[in-house]
Amino acid sequence: AQSVTQLDSHVSVSEGTPVLLRCNYSSSYSPSLFWYVQHPNKGLQLLLKYTSAATLVKGINGFEAEFKKSETSFHLTKPSAHMSDAAEYFCVVRNSGNTPLVFGKGTRLSVIA
Amino acid sequence: EPEVTQTPSHQVTQMGQEVILRCVPISNHLYFYWYRQILGQKVEFLVSFYNNEISEKSEIFDDQFSVERPDGSNFTLKIRSTKLEDSAMYFCASSEQGSNYGYTFGSGTRLTVV
Repeated sequence: AQSVTQLDSHVSVSEGTPVLLRCNYSSSYSPSLFWYVQHPNKGLQLLLKYTSAATLVKGINGFEAEFKKSETSFHLTKPSAHMSDAAEYFCVVRNSGNTPLVFGKGTRLSVIA
Repeated sequence: EPEVTQTPSHQVTQMGQEVILRCVPISNHLYFYWYRQILGQKVEFLVSFYNNEISEKSEIFDDQFSVERPDGSNFTLKIRSTKLEDSAMYFCASSEQGSNYGYTFGSGTRLTVV
């Protein structure tokens, strides 16, 4: 069975400082991994995805994530936080094939001016 | 950029009533999905739909739920007799090829059952 653990329910950073949102996954196969962002009263927007190509994946808005198979991790990072980054972030796993997405519980990112 | 469109954005209904949530997927996408998020909980898979039939469904998707693609553009989720616990944000998504591709999600419909 596949599962996702987002280690922090809430992360607070100052504007201009680095962001680290942690995610560990469990999967029986070579998984596809995604990060989605949800701004208040908005839908789920795809930030980036890993699908067995390069292990360092670059996404939109300066975010990136590194797939580490040995650590079963897919942490999301950004060098410098912006106020507009404040949102809920979801780490998502999917086994290869046409199986449904499995979401983590989400991490709420607050950015302090 | 192509979008998945969901209507209405918010619906309030009385317990026991039928509701239909509507979605317009991206036009060249072939796989369609419904997920829901109860307030404060995880986003959960409900159902996937391909080639005019359900390809997979979760335990949540019981006989009270149904999906339909009535024409070439709409994809609907019907809840036959709503319960209080059906209150949630319902997300529609579509995907071009299904496997290994990120889905495009709609903005969601917030369903409130009173």
